[in-house]
This record gives sequence, C-alpha cells and structure tokens, in this order.
Amino acid sequence: GAGVSQSPSNKVTEKGKDVELRCDPISGHTALYWYRQRLGQGLEFLIYFQGNSAPDKSGLPSDRFSAERTGESVSTLTIQRTQQEDSAVYLCASSLASQNYGYTFGSGTRLTVV
Amino acid sequence: KQEVTQIPAALSVPEGENLVLNCSFTDSAIYNLQWFRQDPGKGLTSLLLIQSSQREQTSGRLNASLDKSSGRSTLYIAASQPGDSATYLCAVRASGGSYIPTFGRGTSLIVHP
Repeated sequence: GAGVSQSPSNKVTEKGKDVELRCDPISGHTALYWYRQRLGQGLEFLIYFQGNSAPDKSGLPSDRFSAERTGESVSTLTIQRTQQEDSAVYLCASSLASQNYGYTFGSGTRLTVV
Repeated sequence: KQEVTQIPAALSVPEGENLVLNCSFTDSAIYNLQWFRQDPGKGLTSLLLIQSSQREQTSGRLNASLDKSSGRSTLYIAASQPGDSATYLCAVRASGGSYIPTFGRGTSLIVHP
C-alpha cells in the first residue's frame, strides 16, 4: 500500500479482555516496529521485526504482550488480560532494511481500557 | 547506549517568527537522523531525513542541519504559522548494528496568531 495502515484506529475494551492490534506495512518494507505512547509521554519501543529473522522483543513490558509477523506482511500486536495502564496509542512503523532509509509511521491505534 | 535529547521541551511563539529546535545525541556513530511532526493523538509524519554524510536538508520552510561530530541537529522553521503547532521529534538511526531508532522526547510547539 501507499502508507502504513493500522487498525482499528480506536479501541475501547474492558479491563481483563484481550485485544489485537493490526499493522499493514508498506509493501517491500522488511523492517517493522511497534511503539507505545502514553498520554503526554515519549515513544516507548516494544518490538522489532526484520524479515524472517527472530524478532527483537526487548521492549515488551510483560508477558501479556506478544506480537507476530509472517514474513514481510501484516503484523499483529496482542495484549492479553488488559490493564488500565495499557491505555495508550500504539504506533507501528516500517522501513527498508538499508541504513540509508528512514521510517514511515501509521496513524496509530488509540487503546482505552476501562 | 544512544541517548537523544531535545531542547526546548516546549515553545510558544507568535506567528511569523523564525524558530530553531534542537536535537542532541550522545553517540556520533549514526547512519541518519530523521525529524518528525506529531499532531495531538495522531501518528508521526516524516519531515526530513538527513544521512550521516550530509550537512543539511531543506523542504519548503523547513531546514534541518546535522553536525555529526558534535552530536547535534537543528530544525529551522521559517516564518512560523499556526498550522505548524505540533510536537516535533527527532530520531537517530545508530550504526552499531541495530536498526532500532532512538527517539527524543520532542519539542511541543504552539504558534499563536
């Protein structure tokens, strides 16, 4: 596609429920990143995928968070047993693997846990 | 570990002023530096990308410079407009093997009429 697409744009869920967020990167972009941004805060790195290599999961805050990506296609970020502190905007970015390229971000998913 | 600092954290100016936003980084071994704009509740929009071999990039009223040896970049906004109000972030792509960018906390800009 022309840009990075994220869905849903907004999600309200009850505490304790599981949620799944989707990111569709730019076609051909082998690198994909997930970030979390709490209200008024900076970007918090969550996970990085590069092609078929093992993902870098070093930013995932707890085992309630997981993400998948098959090859160079869509990625899903799953949060199990959501807590109120999970409320944030979840941003996805993609990039070509070459170091000469920058990053393109999606519009984000605003998650509210009530 | 790369650290990126943006100064000032917040800025409020009248329309028409020329502005300078600052971004500093601790490790000069970088591939590139990218400036983004973020409107409230929205994603990040790329403004300018400067490669490590470049000194500056320009797009319209925006000019970004890079001094890799001193670990600094500036974003210059000419003749500011209320529509420029947003948070501006810089991100550094290190050359140490990881492709994970390091972001600053951003400068929140308000341009009032």
